[in-house]
Amino acid sequence: RKEVEQDPGPFNVPEGATVAFNCTYSNSASQSFFWYRQDCRKEPKLLMSVYSSGNEDGRFTAQLNRASQYISLLIRDSKLSDSATYLCVVNVKDSSYKLIFGSGTRLLVRP
Amino acid sequence: SAVISQKPSRDICQRGTSLTIQCQVDSQVTMMFWYRQQPGQSLTLIATANQGSEATYESGFVIDKFPISRPNLTFSTLTVSNMSPEDSSIYLCSVDWAGNEQFFGPGTRLTVL
Repeated sequence: RKEVEQDPGPFNVPEGATVAFNCTYSNSASQSFFWYRQDCRKEPKLLMSVYSSGNEDGRFTAQLNRASQYISLLIRDSKLSDSATYLCVVNVKDSSYKLIFGSGTRLLVRP
Repeated sequence: SAVISQKPSRDICQRGTSLTIQCQVDSQVTMMFWYRQQPGQSLTLIATANQGSEATYESGFVIDKFPISRPNLTFSTLTVSNMSPEDSSIYLCSVDWAGNEQFFGPGTRLTVL
């Protein structure tokens, strides 16, 4: 089983749609959670951190369920510029700090 | 935030040769990381580059194949040794910022023939 699992997509949605991505992680010792965005042929960039209380940044809402080891990202009012791959990322602190990346969910927003 | 540059941005190499990738950060950082992203896949951590000590390698990666240097708090190199076509990938360095967020360099796209 992968440490971080995501639906690979692609999600093909019209502009203005609401789309939700899900992610599960296997290590219950995971401490921090993130969503990164990666555009084609570019490096990943942090979209937002995910907190237990849930957090919102404009059109983006992230939620964490530690009991179910589940993370979600909701994008409202999708824009063409939202087209990218969204990476679910987990910080596992054992003997050192390291990030474990999911395989990514690809989003295509069409006009 | 941190600004990270990598050299080269891309290269095409013959099998059996080695390539050294440089990563430069615009400020001093404690932890630097090297990742590999194979075509169509997500990122896999190769090693953590520690200043003043040997790098810490993840399972499946060894120092002989991927030697790393970290001479100071703003610079690191990753060498891909004795390359084969299976090493064709994007190699990215990243830095830990404020103990929580990682910033990535633009990546080095390597093709091995």
